[in-house]
Amino acid sequence: QSVLTQPPSASGTPGQRVTISCSGSSSNIGSNTVNWYQQLPGTAPKLLIYSNNQRPSGVPDRFSGSKSGTSASLAISGLQSEDEADYYCAAWDDSLNGSWVFGGGTKLTVL
Amino acid sequence: QLQLQESGPGLVKPSETLSLTCTVSGGSISSSSYYWGWIRQPPGKGLEWIGSIYYSGSTYYNPSLKSRVTISVDTSKNQFSLKLSSVTAADTAVYYCAGATVYWGQGTLVTVSS
Repeated sequence: QSVLTQPPSASGTPGQRVTISCSGSSSNIGSNTVNWYQQLPGTAPKLLIYSNNQRPSGVPDRFSGSKSGTSASLAISGLQSEDEADYYCAAWDDSLNGSWVFGGGTKLTVL
Repeated sequence: QLQLQESGPGLVKPSETLSLTCTVSGGSISSSSYYWGWIRQPPGKGLEWIGSIYYSGSTYYNPSLKSRVTISVDTSKNQFSLKLSSVTAADTAVYYCAGATVYWGQGTLVTVSS
């Protein structure tokens, strides 16, 4: 069971806007920034969003992130077929001696 | 831009030690700008952070793996390594090395089986 909670699946049609949630606690999301990763089938995860809402160079502005309290969200607007992938949230957790924690992942299907 | 590449045996016997190396190119492993880590993904499952090492030498490990994990850096070779002892079938996974969780290697599948 993952420390961060994500819905196991999400779906949308091309052009739609979809959001994926990530719920944590005061020791992780509540006190640290959130990263989001996209994992296309058979490939390594790719950083999509860092520091809650920042996009690395090359990531389309269709992808956006937000955080409020102990939860975070990833929004994808103008959904495209190539967005079909697994999405993971991650944050540093201050409990014990500190550790990175991941969400269980959300499989996004483009219908 | 940093590039990372994992290397090591693809098959490890139960109770033995899994050893992987990550070679970093495009930047110095001694840079204070990055920290280095390992993440794994069992087949069909999600991501699990194993541990990280900082330029200062400080290490942080997943509490559930801490007793079996060692991460170290070899600055002369621009590499960092993972050792996971007493492996079982549950340690079968794709192992990724990463720089600051930004740059990732392609991953290497390690199967634990006799």
